[in-house]
Amino acid sequence: AQSVSQHNHHVILSEAASLELGCNYSYGGTVNLFWYVQYPGQHLQLLLKYFSGDPLVKGIKGFEAEFIKSKFSFNLRKPSVQWSDTAEYFCAVNAYFTGGGNKLTFGTGTQLKVEL
Amino acid sequence: DTGVSQDPRHKITKRGQNVTFRCDPISEHNRLYWYRQTLGQGPEFLTYFQNEAQLEKSRLLSDRFSAERPKGSFSTLEIQRTEQGDSAMYLCALPGGYNEQFFGPGTRLTVL
Repeated sequence: AQSVSQHNHHVILSEAASLELGCNYSYGGTVNLFWYVQYPGQHLQLLLKYFSGDPLVKGIKGFEAEFIKSKFSFNLRKPSVQWSDTAEYFCAVNAYFTGGGNKLTFGTGTQLKVEL
Repeated sequence: DTGVSQDPRHKITKRGQNVTFRCDPISEHNRLYWYRQTLGQGPEFLTYFQNEAQLEKSRLLSDRFSAERPKGSFSTLEIQRTEQGDSAMYLCALPGGYNEQFFGPGTRLTVL
């Protein structure tokens, strides 16, 4: 069965600090990976996705993530965080059903707080 | 705007009551998904529809839960005899082009 682990549950950073959030997955099929963000009071939004090709993917708001197949990892990075990046971040892996169709399996999330 | 609305946004009910949530895609989508998110957790898959057909159901979906998508457009999720453990955010999602999914604002259920 597929699973996602996010090791950092709470992260506090000062503005302009660099960010790296860990994500490890377990899935035996073709890997599609995602990072979602949930700002306070808002719904889940797609930040970036890895489907195939270049393992370094860039998303919105200056975020990027690197797929490292040998490490089963898909860590999220941002060189310089802003106060507005305060949010909860979820890593997810796509899994296919035997009879067709798919679902997303999410990690438990990382709460990021950026202080001024 | 993710192209999906959910109603109601908040629901407070007493234990033992039945509740129904609705998910309305703005445009046509063959697939529609339901997830549940509890505090401190990521969303967990409940079920999904391919048009009117409910094709997969999670073990989280006990026999008190039923979901329908009668015309292949909107969907409803009903919980009978609610329990305090049902308190959660119930999310509806639509598919994107690369297996990503776009989530609605959710219905927050509180069971007293």
